[in-house]
Amino acid sequence: DVKVTQSSRYLVKRTGEKVFLECVQDMDHENMFWYRQDPGLGLRLIYFSYDVKMKEKGDIPEGYSVSREKKERFSLILESASTNQTSMYLCASSPGSGRKEGNTDTQYFGPGTRLTVL
Amino acid sequence: AQSVTQPDIHITVSEGASLELRCNYSYGATPYLFWYVQSPGQGLQLLLKYFSGDTLVQGIKGFEAEFKRSQSSFNLRKPSVHWSDAAEYFCAVGASYQKVTFGTGTKLQVIP
Repeated sequence: DVKVTQSSRYLVKRTGEKVFLECVQDMDHENMFWYRQDPGLGLRLIYFSYDVKMKEKGDIPEGYSVSREKKERFSLILESASTNQTSMYLCASSPGSGRKEGNTDTQYFGPGTRLTVL
Repeated sequence: AQSVTQPDIHITVSEGASLELRCNYSYGATPYLFWYVQSPGQGLQLLLKYFSGDTLVQGIKGFEAEFKRSQSSFNLRKPSVHWSDAAEYFCAVGASYQKVTFGTGTKLQVIP
C-alpha cells in the first residue's frame, strides 16, 4: 500500500512567519506534488517535482517555494505566511519515470494539512 | 491547456437511489481521465481511471464511469448509493506530463 504522510494535520501560524510543510512517501515514486484546496476552487497545483532537486511551477506558485533533497521527501515552504494562504494543503506522489509527454499516472494523496494563518 | 468542469456543486440523493455525477473536460487529444473521492477530513482516493480501450470503466466501491468522446464527458455512476458514499468527488484530466487538472468537486449528500 502506498503511503503518503504529511507532518501535521493542523497548523496555526502568524502572519510573516516562515512555514514548512513536510511530505514523505514510501513507494519510491518519482513525482511529488503540492496542491492547495479551497472551497469552490477544487485543487490547484502549487509546485511539483519529477526528480530529486528538480521542480516545476504549477498554477499558483506565488508566495511558495519547495525543496526536494531526497526522493521520498518534498517540502513546501511559505517564506512569509499571509492570511490568504490559510487553506488545506495536500501532498501527492505518483510513479512514472522520464518526462514522457502524455503519460499521467495515478496520484496518491496524503491526508492534508489544514493551515491557518492569523 | 486542459480544463475540467463539474457543473454540480452539491447533489443530494436518497440511500438506494442511483447516482450520476457529471464531468466535462476540454483537451485536444484523448486525455487521461480520473475520478477521485475525498471523505471528510481525508486526502483523495482514486475511484477509477480511463487511459484507453473500453470506454466503460469499472472502479472501486461499485462505481463506474463512461468516456464519451463526442460529448467530452466522463460521468460517474453508481446504481445504488450507500450512506458511506457521502463525500466530495473530483473529476480530473491529465494531459501534459504527470500534471493533472482537477475539477472544483461535487459534494454528495445521502439521505436515509
